[in-house]
Amino acid sequence: AQTVTQSQPEMSVQEAETVTLSCTYDTSESNYYLFWYKQPPSRQMILVIRQEAYKQQNATENRFSVNFQKAAKSFSLKISDSQLGDTAMYFCAFMKPLPLHGSSNTGKLIFGQGTTLQVKP
Amino acid sequence: DAGITQSPRHKVTETGTPVTLRCHQTENHRYMYWYRQDPGHGLRLIHYSYGVKDTDKGEVSDGYSVSRSKTEDFLLTLESATSSQTSVYFCAISRRDRGTYEQYFGPGTRLTVT
Repeated sequence: AQTVTQSQPEMSVQEAETVTLSCTYDTSESNYYLFWYKQPPSRQMILVIRQEAYKQQNATENRFSVNFQKAAKSFSLKISDSQLGDTAMYFCAFMKPLPLHGSSNTGKLIFGQGTTLQVKP
Repeated sequence: DAGITQSPRHKVTETGTPVTLRCHQTENHRYMYWYRQDPGHGLRLIHYSYGVKDTDKGEVSDGYSVSRSKTEDFLLTLESATSSQTSVYFCAISRRDRGTYEQYFGPGTRLTVT
């Protein structure tokens, strides 16, 4: 069974600085996807970034980037130029690919416990 | 925005009463999911659906049932609510984007069982 671990329950960063959130996972699969979700106080789950395991290049979305280390099973999120609006809980998640046909694979997400990030002015 | 709505958004109910939560999507996605969110656990899968009338259990399915009679609606039912089912419930869909399936979530329902 797959597991996802976020070892930092809480973190803080000054506005405009850079912060890195850690995530490790355990799987015997060779092909899978990894995601970071943001949950602000509004409670809405927002997809931030994704990484396909078969890609060596780290994903980047504007100020958000990941450091994907497949052999180490590590998937950290770096937020550059932190903004007050980045204050939220962040979840790392793992997913096996959905099949093209059939229904045997749920496509479910397996989440870590979350890291609460506070950006300070 | 994946066109997902949940109703009700908040509900307080008493132990032993039945409760049904509704998830509605407007984009005709095949896969739908119900998760619950509890402190220290992240989100955990309750049930999922891979088509009309096709559903299966997730990791925390005890005490819950689901139904999907049409593509756009996925219902979660607590047959007899217990205090341990106090939680925030999220519905999600899988949508194919740039060759990969990604999950998008509804706004959540906060359920309190007294």
